[in-house]
Amino acid sequence: EDQVTQSPEALRLQEGESSSLNCSYTVSGLRGLFWYRQDPGKGPEFLFTLYSAGEEKEKERLKATLTKKESFLHITAPKPEDSATYLCAVQAMSQAGTALIFGKGTTLSVSS
Amino acid sequence: DAGVTQSPTHLIKTRGQHVTLRCSPISGHKSVSWYQQVLGQGPQFIFQYYEKEERGRGNFPDRFSARQFPNYSSELNVNALLLGDSALYLCASSLGQGGYSPLHFGNGTRLTVT
Repeated sequence: EDQVTQSPEALRLQEGESSSLNCSYTVSGLRGLFWYRQDPGKGPEFLFTLYSAGEEKEKERLKATLTKKESFLHITAPKPEDSATYLCAVQAMSQAGTALIFGKGTTLSVSS
Repeated sequence: DAGVTQSPTHLIKTRGQHVTLRCSPISGHKSVSWYQQVLGQGPQFIFQYYEKEERGRGNFPDRFSARQFPNYSSELNVNALLLGDSALYLCASSLGQGGYSPLHFGNGTRLTVT
């Protein structure tokens, strides 16, 4: 069965304290791995797509990496405005169309 | 540019009632997908439509149905509402029907069933 597991469930950081969020996945065949940011009461906001092991993408203080079994979202020198829930999702060969399988997310809190 | 728009933003219904949720995709996007997000969980796939045809269906009962219109907007219908249907219903649009197109989500409709 295709599934996505994110850890930790919650993470508290001080401003400027770098860390990483983990997304491990088990799929029959990976078409793509997606990272989203979700603020309370809002829909998920697209951040990155990764397609193959070894690929990396960067955007401001965020960098996403991909291996054959997991992805990491590295947050460098976070600021309070980075506080949100970060969702990881995979598109599997077994799924029709654009269907995504999401993890439960990691809720990040950054304090000043 | 306008993003994905959903209406209504909030809705309260009673068990057994029927509900219709609406979604307008980003201009130029022909694919619309629906997801259900229960509090504390990630979104769960319900349907995908492309060019008015169903292209994928998640593990949801037949009480859930959807359709897409010629202008690519979409409706999600849920019959015989149960308390467990209370959730945030998200609509997402993308350029293509298959993989490799990132989904862009609206802010959802918060449905409460009492």
